[in-house]
Formats: sequence, C-alpha cells, structure tokens
Amino acid sequence: DQQVKQNSPSLSVQEGRISILNCDYTNSMFDYFLWYKKYPAEGPTFLISISSIKDKNEDGRFTVFLNKSAKHLSLHIVPSQPGDSAVYFCAAPGNQFYFGTGTSLTVIP
Amino acid sequence: NAGVTQTPKFRVLKTGQSMTLLCAQDMNHEYMYWYRQDPGMGLRLIHYSVGEGTTAKGEVPDGYNVSRLKKQNFLLGLESAAPSQTSVYFCASSSKTGELFFGEGSRLTVL
Repeated sequence: DQQVKQNSPSLSVQEGRISILNCDYTNSMFDYFLWYKKYPAEGPTFLISISSIKDKNEDGRFTVFLNKSAKHLSLHIVPSQPGDSAVYFCAAPGNQFYFGTGTSLTVIP
Repeated sequence: NAGVTQTPKFRVLKTGQSMTLLCAQDMNHEYMYWYRQDPGMGLRLIHYSVGEGTTAKGEVPDGYNVSRLKKQNFLLGLESAAPSQTSVYFCASSSKTGELFFGEGSRLTVL
C-alpha cells in the first residue's frame, strides 16, 4: 500500500514560470515531510522539509505547502530554472522512510 | 567529507552469480537503508537497519540479504542474481530524527 503518492510522473514548465509538484499521503500520523531532488546518475539530495505544525516552509525559490486536512503537500519552485530539471521525490519518515514514485520536472529554456 | 559511499558503482553479473554491495557512512548515523530505483517505481526499500547488529525487511526484501556488523557499514548481498534484480541501488543513512543522506548509487545489470 503506497502511503505517499505522487500522481504526476512528469511535468514540463517554461523557464521563469512556476513549477508545482504535488504529493498525497494516507497516514495521518506522519508529522514531517521532506522533498528530495535527484539528478541522473546521482543519489537523491535533500531539498526542503516541513513539519506538520506548519502549513508553509520557504527556502529561497522553493516553498512547500502542507494541507493536513486534505493530506496533501505541494512544492512550488519560483522562478523555475533549467537547472531545476530533475526528479523530485516527496517522503515521510515513519518506521521507515516512505517515498513517492517521483515527478520528473523539465524546465524548458 | 565523504558522507555515504557505495562500492562498486557499476557491476555486471550473470544469472546465478553472487555479489555484495558495500555502503559506508562517516556521519555516525544509527539508521541505514538500502533502496532500489526502477523506472516508474520510485525508491523502494529493500532492507534497513536501526543500529549495529540489527536489520529489518523493507518493501521488497526477497532475493537480498543484509548485514550490519559495524555501525558505519551496511552490506547488501545477492546470493543468486536474477535479471529482475537489474536496477540502481542506493544506500542511505540518517540519524534517529534527521533527513536521509544518500550515496551516489550502484548500477547493477544481471544478464
């Protein structure tokens, strides 16, 4: 049973526009969420996180929003840059880390 | 500042051969994990360890064994490789409350 879901396998956005990546979860006990970014031939790297006591966390061009009632979080990248092209995974730690299947973002110059 | 190091980075095996992937971390992390990544499947947990001498099964443990004899090392073994085990394998480590740090990955091809 997939506890963390990313329903969009891919997303294309023009450079300078906003990228919105979505993630849904099923376990209401999750109290912390993370986003990881992965370039080809590299391991995933931590991008940004949010605690369940917050509904927003911002770090430069990256903002994560959490809607606990909807069990939904989203990652906003503004403005999008070609270097942001990567696969993005959302994750939630429980007994183990639960990952979504990833969204491949392509930022078109 | 090595972080998480995986060896080897690439390996080609024939069906039925065995091999071991080594993961080493220098951050004194308690928790270590082995994931595999396949197209359209995301990161799937194979086995994990919450401390030296302990291991537990993840989502897709069949065909793999692990050992955590030292806190800094986590070994993933394939006793009899199958083509379905062709994948990219990632090791990761974390503290009890922190984020995951990943290695660069090991690409395994089983012919």
